[in-house]
Amino acid sequence: AQKVTQAQTEISVVEKEDVTLDCVYETRDTTYYLFWYKQPPSGELVFLIRRNSFDEQNEISGRYSWNFQKSTSSFNFTITASQVVDSAVYFCALGSNTNAGKSTFGDGTTLTVKP
Amino acid sequence: GAVVSQHPSRVICKSGTSVKIECRSLDFQATTMFWYRQFPKKSLMLMATSNEGSKATYEQGVEKDKFLINHASLTLSTLTVTSAHPEDSSFYICSARTDRLNTEAFFGQGTRLTVV
Repeated sequence: AQKVTQAQTEISVVEKEDVTLDCVYETRDTTYYLFWYKQPPSGELVFLIRRNSFDEQNEISGRYSWNFQKSTSSFNFTITASQVVDSAVYFCALGSNTNAGKSTFGDGTTLTVKP
Repeated sequence: GAVVSQHPSRVICKSGTSVKIECRSLDFQATTMFWYRQFPKKSLMLMATSNEGSKATYEQGVEKDKFLINHASLTLSTLTVTSAHPEDSSFYICSARTDRLNTEAFFGQGTRLTVV
């Protein structure tokens, strides 16, 4: 069975602070996919990143960066110089290679960035 | 990325009535669509997998007769909540993928259902 754990339920930071959202996953698949989504108060899911299990390169996209460590089954997400607009619920998800598109989601981390 | 549209975005219905939610892939053909349910301040739980032209596959614990799913075309899947009750109030989100090899699914904007 697949499982995603986001241990941080809520995080509150002040604008311009850096913040890291943790994600730990469990799977027996040798090939899998990891995702991060943002869900602002409006409710829609905004896709942020997809990472294949065989690609452990870290990725940076503007103020966002992701640290994938297969050895510890973690896929952490860092926002640098946070902004108020970053306030949202962030979900980490694990996708199966054998059933593409079917994802197991973590419980989400609610990030509040205060001005 | 590809666009998936859900309609309506919000719906309020009376207890005992049925409500239909549509999920459309606007610029691609979706062989498979997924329906998720999200309780307040909770994660997304997969309800069912919908394949075009065949019966949906429901996750354990999801009532098939309560949540009817139809995927009649490559661009449309519908979720009908039958005989809705207040406990069915939730946020329903669909996602769609293009083919079996595609590793990414695109999410709709979600539908907020309130049963009064």
